[in-house]
Amino acid sequence: AQSVTQPDIHITVSEGASLELRCNYSYGATPYLFWYVQSPGQGLQLLLKYFSGDTLVQGIKGFEAEFKRSQSSFNLRKPSVHWSDAAEYFCAVGSGYSTLTFGKGTMLLVSP
Amino acid sequence: GAVVSQHPSRVICKSGTSVKIECRSLDFQATTMFWYRQFPKQSLMLMATSNEGSKATYEQGVEKDKFLINHASLTLSTLTVTSAHPEDSSFYICSARDPQGADEQYFGPGTRLTVT
Repeated sequence: AQSVTQPDIHITVSEGASLELRCNYSYGATPYLFWYVQSPGQGLQLLLKYFSGDTLVQGIKGFEAEFKRSQSSFNLRKPSVHWSDAAEYFCAVGSGYSTLTFGKGTMLLVSP
Repeated sequence: GAVVSQHPSRVICKSGTSVKIECRSLDFQATTMFWYRQFPKQSLMLMATSNEGSKATYEQGVEKDKFLINHASLTLSTLTVTSAHPEDSSFYICSARDPQGADEQYFGPGTRLTVT
């Protein structure tokens, strides 16, 4: 069975500092990996995805993620966090866009 | 980008009553829509997959007679929680798959259901 682990329930980062959100997955085949962001009152927005090819994936809003098969990880990074990045972030795995399995999410708090 | 709306955004109902939640794809036709349930501090759990014009496919453990899903058109799917109980209180999120957009799922803003 596929699963996603986001070990950090919440993280606080100073504005302007770098960010890394961790995601580990378990999947029987080649995984399709996603990062979504959820702001209060809004739906999940796709930040980036990995299907194949270059293991370093660029997304929207300055985010990137790196797929490491040997570590079963797909960590999300951003070099300089902005206050508007405060939100909840979900990692997901699936076979394409169907049947996504989500992690429990990491709440990002940005301090001034 | 593609937009998915949900209505209502929040609803309070009494135990034993039924409540309907609508999910609409506003600028694309969605042959497939998904319904998720999200508990506090938990991940989104897929409840069912809804295909236009056919019966929904429910995930294991989801009561199909309690959570009625209808996908009568390419832009509208509804979830009806029948005979609601307090334990049905949750955040319900729908998503719609855009076949013209590489099948990407677009998510609605969610509906907060509180059963008293």
